[in-house]
Amino acid sequence: DVKVTQSSRYLVKRTGEKVFLECVQDMDHENMFWYRQDPGLGLRLIYFSYDVKMKEKGDIPEGYSVSREKKERFSLILESASTNQTSMYLCASSPQGARETQYFGPGTRLLVL
Amino acid sequence: QKEVEQDPGPLSVPEGAIVSLNCTYSNSAFQYFMWYRQYSRKGPELLMYTYSSGNKEDGRFTAQVDKSSKYISLFIRDSQPSDSATYLCAMSSITNAGKSTFGDGTTLTVKP
Repeated sequence: DVKVTQSSRYLVKRTGEKVFLECVQDMDHENMFWYRQDPGLGLRLIYFSYDVKMKEKGDIPEGYSVSREKKERFSLILESASTNQTSMYLCASSPQGARETQYFGPGTRLLVL
Repeated sequence: QKEVEQDPGPLSVPEGAIVSLNCTYSNSAFQYFMWYRQYSRKGPELLMYTYSSGNKEDGRFTAQVDKSSKYISLFIRDSQPSDSATYLCAMSSITNAGKSTFGDGTTLTVKP
C-alpha cells in the first residue's frame, strides 16, 4: 500500500512565524502535491512537483513556497504565517503513469494565532 | 462559476438504501474522473477512477460518467454505516492529468 506521511497532525503557530510542513511518500512516486482544504472552498492546489528540484504553482501559491530535494520528500513552507493560513493541509503523491490517481496523507491541521 | 459543482448535501439515508452522489462540470477537456472518500479528520482516499465515458463497478460502488451532459455520479448500493463519510469528485484533463479539480464534497450519513 502507498503510504504518505505528514510530519504533524496538529500545529499551532504565531503570526509571522516561519512554518515547515513535511511530507514523505514511500512508493517512489514522481508527482507530489500540496493542497489546503477549507469548509465551503473544497480542496485547493497550492504547489505541485513532477520531479526532484522541480516545482509548479497551483491555484493559490501566494504566501507559500516548496522544496523538493529528494524524490520521496516534499516540503511546504509558510514564509510568514498569517491567520488566513489556518487550514487543513494535505499532501498527496501519484505515479508518473497515473498522475490523476492521487494518494493522500492524513493531513496537518494548522492553527495560526 | 466553479469548474466542478457537487451536490452539497448533507445526505442522510437509512442502512441498506441506494445512494446517488453527483457532480457537474463545465470543462469539456476533462477526461479523467475520480471519486474520493474522506472520513472525518483523515485524508481523502481514492475510491473509483474512470477514464472518459461509461460505467465502472467495484463491489457496491458504481461510477457513471456522461460526458455529453457533463455529469458524473457515484452510486452506493446496500449502504452501510461504515460508508458515512464525505465524498469528493475530482476531474482532470489529459494535458494536465496531474492537476485535478475537486468538488467541494458531499457528506453522507448512513443510519443503522
